[in-house]
Amino acid sequence: KNQVEQSPQSLIILEGKNCTLQCNYTVSPFSNLRWYKQDTGRGPVSLTIMTFSENTKSNGRYTATLDADTKQSSLHITASQLSDSASYICVVRGGGSYIPTFGRGTSLIVHP
Amino acid sequence: EAEVAQSPRYKITEKSQAVAFWCDPISGHATLYWYRQILGQGPELLVQFQDESVVDDSQLPKDRFSAERLKGVDSTLKIQPAELGDSAMYLCASSLLAGDVDTQYFGPGTRLTVL
Repeated sequence: KNQVEQSPQSLIILEGKNCTLQCNYTVSPFSNLRWYKQDTGRGPVSLTIMTFSENTKSNGRYTATLDADTKQSSLHITASQLSDSASYICVVRGGGSYIPTFGRGTSLIVHP
Repeated sequence: EAEVAQSPRYKITEKSQAVAFWCDPISGHATLYWYRQILGQGPELLVQFQDESVVDDSQLPKDRFSAERLKGVDSTLKIQPAELGDSAMYLCASSLLAGDVDTQYFGPGTRLTVL
C-alpha cells in the first residue's frame, strides 16, 4: 500500500529560527514528490516538486531535499517568519496509480 | 492572478439533509479534482474530471455522493443524505492537464459541519 508519513506531527519554533520537516514514503515506483503549504482555512499551495533525478530544490527560504534510495524527503525552512505558520503537506505520485498519496501534514507554529 | 473559486465557504447542515458545493476552476484548466480533508489529515481524492468526463471516482462513496461537470467548466459535488462523518473540508483543485507533474491549484475549500 502506498503510504506517506510525515514528522513531526506539530512543531513550534521562534521567529528567525530554522526548522526541518520530514517525509518518508513507500510509494513505488516513484514519480515525483511535492511539498505544499496550507494556511488555516485555505487550500494547499505548491512549494516545490521533485522528480527522481533531483535531490534538492529551493523556493526562497524553502529548500526541499530528496533521497530516492531511502525514500525520504525533507523541507528546510530558513529564518522562519510568522507567516510560515501553516500545515506543510508532502504528496507523492507513483506506485502504479496517478492518484497522489498525501501525508497528514506537519503543523508549524512560528512564535514572535 | 487566476484562482479556483468555491462556494459556499462554510455550510452547516443537519444529518439526512442534502448539501451541494460548487467549484469554478481556473479558466482553461481541463482537469478538475474534488478532495475531502478531515481535520488533521491530508486531502483524500474523491473524483477527478477531464473536461466533462469522470476519469476516476473510485474513492467516491457513490451511495450518497455525486459529482458532475456538465459543460466541462464548473462542477458541483452533492451529498444526499449527509451523515455526521461527512464533516470535513471539501477542496476543489484544477490543473491545465492531467500530467504527473502538472501543478494542481486548490480553491479555498468549503467547510462542512453536519449536526
